[in-house]
Amino acid sequence: QKEVEQNSGPLSVPEGAIASLNCTYSDRGSQSFFWYRQYSGKSPELIMFIYSNGDKEDGRFTAQLNKASQYVSLLIRDSQPSDSATYLCAVDTGTASKLTFGTGTRLQVTL
Amino acid sequence: NAGVTQTPKFRILKIGQSMTLQCAQDMNHNYMYWYRQDPGMGLKLIYYSVGAGITDKGEVPNGYNVSRSTTEDFPLRLELAAPSQTSVYFCASGKNPNEQFFGPGTRLTVL
Repeated sequence: QKEVEQNSGPLSVPEGAIASLNCTYSDRGSQSFFWYRQYSGKSPELIMFIYSNGDKEDGRFTAQLNKASQYVSLLIRDSQPSDSATYLCAVDTGTASKLTFGTGTRLQVTL
Repeated sequence: NAGVTQTPKFRILKIGQSMTLQCAQDMNHNYMYWYRQDPGMGLKLIYYSVGAGITDKGEVPNGYNVSRSTTEDFPLRLELAAPSQTSVYFCASGKNPNEQFFGPGTRLTVL
């Protein structure tokens, strides 16, 4: 079974620091990688996605892929208390319409 | 646009009862999905659809059924509810597989 694994956390970082979240995936054939943010009691929202051909930066967020080691990272620069949430990593299953989600990492940004 | 809407927001069912969770989107998206999220867990795909008249099973389809008679609507049917179906159910839609917009969720308890 194709798997996506994340450390559940909580990952605690001080305001203004860089938060680094990682997930590992089992399927070497995966081509698309997604990061969702989910506030407590709310639905997931897409932050960004990358393809296997490169990293992406969007504002304070950077997604990076290490294909050799099969992990994808999300870096959040200048972390803010409003970034405190659970971050879900998702990977395509080879069928483009379907994603496999990790269990999420809870991020706490402290004042 | 209302985006993705789900009804009801909350529901308590007795074991053996049936119900339909409603999902609608007004963005003319072809792709629609049903997920369930158990406490502290990631999202598990139940069923998905790539267009009206086309549905397919996800990772955990047992005990559920779907239909997609229109582009807008993607109801999820639970027959013979069981305590194991206690969960939060999210519907999502997207114009392509890389963008899944989630509805607010339905919190279902089966007693």
